[in-house]
Amino acid sequence: DAGVTQSPTHLIKTRGQQVTLRCSPKSGHDTVSWYQQALGQGPQFIFQYYEEEERQRGNFPDRFSGHQFPNYSSELNVNALLLGDSALYLCASSLIRQSTDTQYFGPGTRLTVL
Amino acid sequence: AQSVTQPDIHITVSEGASLELRCNYSYGATPYLFWYVQSPGQGLQLLLKYFSGDTLVQGIKGFEAEFKRSQSSFNLRKPSVHWSDAAEYFCAVGASSSGSARQLTFGSGTQLTVLP
Repeated sequence: DAGVTQSPTHLIKTRGQQVTLRCSPKSGHDTVSWYQQALGQGPQFIFQYYEEEERQRGNFPDRFSGHQFPNYSSELNVNALLLGDSALYLCASSLIRQSTDTQYFGPGTRLTVL
Repeated sequence: AQSVTQPDIHITVSEGASLELRCNYSYGATPYLFWYVQSPGQGLQLLLKYFSGDTLVQGIKGFEAEFKRSQSSFNLRKPSVHWSDAAEYFCAVGASSSGSARQLTFGSGTQLTVLP
């Protein structure tokens, strides 16, 4: 049973560029959430996708956007990168129909903005 | 809005000693509470969770946590720490809204160092 997978593992970009991160959920899960974890901080919720729609959003600017595909995989896009976007980006998946849904996390993508 | 406080930024214990990591939460309804562990450069691994029922929950790797509603706390404990337990520990509270899965709010984490 494959867990949550993310690609790429590491990424280096320069300010102003755009980046796309990818996530495949745990087998059987239908919901994907994205979190940003800055160095020395706890993860912060960016947004959540279910049935190919954004369902919830945290306090992040609209430079952060996403997509969910029919196979439940998801992408996180960040435009006009800033130095402050450097962080570990974590994807988590869950099954929304469970009344006690639990989120399982992937290994993350380390984004460095120079 | 929900929030989580982990008062201890860094804790050092000797191998074999007992451990307690503190977590206080703020949430208007019955909370769904979680403890995750993160090793360097890794994602988050779920240790245990509380949804309802017995306030003492057992998790993986010999960890347990006790939900105390009166104190708004969900402290993590382990009777005997192993060197492999050195990692960062995050407490989280889950908030849900209709038609959505839970959105997690995390504390800032507690870094655990284990001395030989």
